[in-house]
Amino acid sequence: QVQLQESGPGLVKPSETLSLTCSVSGLSITSNYYWVWFRQPPGKGLEWVGSIHHAGSVYYSPSLKSRLTISVHTSRDQFSLRLNFVTAADTAVYYCARGSHDYGDVWGRGTLVTVSS
Amino acid sequence: QSVLTQPPSASGTPGQRVTMSCSGSTSNIVTNFVYWYQQFPGTAPKLLIYRNNQRPSGVPDRFSGSKSVTSASLAISGLRSEDEAFYYCATWDDNLNGQVFGGGTKLTVL
Repeated sequence: QVQLQESGPGLVKPSETLSLTCSVSGLSITSNYYWVWFRQPPGKGLEWVGSIHHAGSVYYSPSLKSRLTISVHTSRDQFSLRLNFVTAADTAVYYCARGSHDYGDVWGRGTLVTVSS
Repeated sequence: QSVLTQPPSASGTPGQRVTMSCSGSTSNIVTNFVYWYQQFPGTAPKLLIYRNNQRPSGVPDRFSGSKSVTSASLAISGLRSEDEAFYYCATWDDNLNGQVFGGGTKLTVL
């Protein structure tokens, strides 16, 4: 079955770049799905970060757009997230998911990223 | 402040039917599909309802979704203790050009 797994540093310093990778298994990343990032600050609700299709379509959260890059790496069945100039407000559990531009139907387990010096 | 409005809490007793609401606007719920997610503490969300009222494979038919103009609802019939969780609604917002969520409803089974 389809599985997704997030990976990346659990601690990032303020003003630096948060980088995460999502590895997809059980399905090619070139399948006709969007690949999605969500996040959830500790004790708070869900927030959509952005969605990308391997064919090139990408959507970013308006509040993060100026700092955010989402990319697909088809040769490795991975997609990634880079968020620049992070602050404590970016501390969250980050989830990757398969879905469409407007939902996620298969989610990874999530990875906590803390922004702190 | 979430774009979609959900009551912070709901409760019911085993066997009861409970509903929870999700209120939006003309730029989101009216013109787009609504999705519902179930999340237990410390775990990833699970898609419970898609395209307003469709259940993914494996989701019991005790869960149902509906939409009416600027609002949507999730209903759970035959409430069970294992339904105690957070429930989030989500949709696309045409003005923001992005996905938006409600703040979530914590369901307590008494």
